[in-house]
Amino acid sequence: ELKVEQNPLFLSMQEGKNYTIYCNYSTTSDRLYWYRQDPGKSLESLFVLLSNGAVKQEGRLMASLDTKARLSTLHITAAVHDLSATYFCAAMNYGGSQGNLIFGKGTKLSVKP
Amino acid sequence: NAGVTQTPKFRILKIGQSMTLQCTQDMNHNYMYWYRQDPGMGLKLIYYSVGAGITDKGEVPNGYNVSRSTTEDFPLRLELAAPSQTSVYFCASRATGEGNYGYTFGSGTRLTVV
Repeated sequence: ELKVEQNPLFLSMQEGKNYTIYCNYSTTSDRLYWYRQDPGKSLESLFVLLSNGAVKQEGRLMASLDTKARLSTLHITAAVHDLSATYFCAAMNYGGSQGNLIFGKGTKLSVKP
Repeated sequence: NAGVTQTPKFRILKIGQSMTLQCTQDMNHNYMYWYRQDPGMGLKLIYYSVGAGITDKGEVPNGYNVSRSTTEDFPLRLELAAPSQTSVYFCASRATGEGNYGYTFGSGTRLTVV
């Protein structure tokens, strides 16, 4: 059974600092997704990582995937207040007849001045 | 471009009542999903469908039913509402085929059972 664990679950950062969110998954998966959720809102897709060593960047966020270690990271560079949100990773699960996403619990990020 | 539309946005139900959460997508996606999100938790899959007439259970299907009579619509039915079903429900869809990996999520339905 595929399980996805994120850490930390809560992260308070100062503006301008760097930090990394970690996403471990328990069994083989070849797709890893990162989403952002603002309070009371839906999920916004950030990145889809499809292969070992994949790296994607958008603004101050960079995501990477190591399928051998079953680890994905979301790195935040020079954080700004606008990045405050909850970030979810999700891994594709092929345990049933069709693939579906298994989500981590999310990392609530708060960026303070 | 409507994407995935969910109705209602908010609903309060009494214990034992029934209701249907509506989900419609206009992107001709074959795959559709229902997730629930409890406070401080990630999303858990309730049911999914790979096309009209085909549905299957996810991680937490108890207390729910679905149907998929058309490609566009994937309603979620709660027959006898219980307080444990208080949650935010998200519908999502995705296309199939090479290169189609992205999921599109609806804006959610916030349900309270009292």
